[in-house]
Amino acid sequence: LAKTTQPISMDSYEGQEVNITCSHNNIATNDYITWYQQFPSQGPRFIIQGYKTKVTNEVASLFIPADRKSSTLSLPRVSLSDTAVYYCLVGDNTDKLIFGTGTRLQVFP
Amino acid sequence: GAVVSQHPSWVICKSGTSVKIECRSLDFQATTMFWYRQFPKQSLMLMATSNEGSKATYEQGVEKDKFLINHASLTLSTLTVTSAHPEDSSFYICSASLRTGGIQETQYFGPGTRLLVL
Repeated sequence: LAKTTQPISMDSYEGQEVNITCSHNNIATNDYITWYQQFPSQGPRFIIQGYKTKVTNEVASLFIPADRKSSTLSLPRVSLSDTAVYYCLVGDNTDKLIFGTGTRLQVFP
Repeated sequence: GAVVSQHPSWVICKSGTSVKIECRSLDFQATTMFWYRQFPKQSLMLMATSNEGSKATYEQGVEKDKFLINHASLTLSTLTVTSAHPEDSSFYICSASLRTGGIQETQYFGPGTRLLVL
């Protein structure tokens, strides 16, 4: 299982773009990269998933370089409600995911 | 789509009693479900992997006789905390795996169950 490394915390202000980078040096060929958001006392919420290059949905973008040893979650124009813990996970279709420490994002007004 | 529910959302019980937590995938069938535990200010810890119709696979250090898992159908898995003690107080979260394309699978998580053992 690939191990991921993320910054423990980040601060931002409302309206700014936030980029959270995750390192996964030992990612395997079949592994996908998935990001989750978690608010206190709630289950993690799926944000975005990708395999390579760039993926974009209505809430975020995911940038994955060619070597796939890292990935960057980009949140455009954050608001106070984006204050949460963000987890980067990698895994293949054997399903088992191991959560790291995550990144605690604090958005200030 | 891809909604996972848990019941109950919170439970308070006396030490020595057993507590059952249900996890349901509401709009999809999940061959695999997972149970996690999360202590305050910590990350999620995988407890076990559950496949429909077969015995659950427990992570190292998780007592299978303490945390009974039953995966009766493709939409329902249950976790029973037997003879609960105060140290079992935690936030229990389940997830269900959905195949989203080819070999790609995504885990969708339930809202969690807060257990307090007095």
